[in-house]
Amino acid sequence: GPKVLQIPSHQIIDMGQMVTLNCDPVSNHLYFYWYKQILGQQMEFLVNFYNGKVMEKSKLFKDQFSVERPDGSYFTLKIQPTALEDSAVYFCASSLVPGLGVRYEQYFGPGTRLTVL
Amino acid sequence: GDSVTQTEGLVTLTKGLPVMLNCTYQTTYSPFLFWYVQHLNEAPKLLLKSSTDNKRTEHQGFYATLHKSSSSFHLQKSSVQLSDSALYFCAVSGSFNKLTFGAGTRLAVCP
Repeated sequence: GPKVLQIPSHQIIDMGQMVTLNCDPVSNHLYFYWYKQILGQQMEFLVNFYNGKVMEKSKLFKDQFSVERPDGSYFTLKIQPTALEDSAVYFCASSLVPGLGVRYEQYFGPGTRLTVL
Repeated sequence: GDSVTQTEGLVTLTKGLPVMLNCTYQTTYSPFLFWYVQHLNEAPKLLLKSSTDNKRTEHQGFYATLHKSSSSFHLQKSSVQLSDSALYFCAVSGSFNKLTFGAGTRLAVCP
């Protein structure tokens, strides 16, 4: 089936450094998402993105976070500067563009495990 | 905001027995529910998505029925297999298709 790729699978960095998480979505998908999962807890929505714009973001999407997808390249989540509480697994997902009364399933990548020391 | 409740954290069963994993939800939107399954160190994969009210959907032996009257979308299977051992998440789709997940239920199937 359709696959979402995430690079890297693991990242260890020192607090205060910048990190960029990369996502290669399903090729015909135009709607992208990031979710955060702290060990042992549920996945929580961070942000979604379409047509170059953030559509909605949660309170977990702090000012230090940003997302972009330059033409034809990865959908990225950047954290600058990082904090200890940013340690988690970050999942990227993509879907077809939802519409009024229409919802499409999201396809998830395998996650990037971020450890902030 | 939206919320999903999964009451069981861990369900342990012997192979061949039936299982039901509970999922209830709250949403201000028209309900679209999903079940995702996550095996260890893998991406969550879609297992089922809801259809219209009171209509059963099935995939790979699992089935669920959306009941708007009780705000539920319980996952069932008549005979679990060892390969069904995994983490199961129920989720509701809200504004801009964002998913709100439940806490997850770990299903452990024993020989």
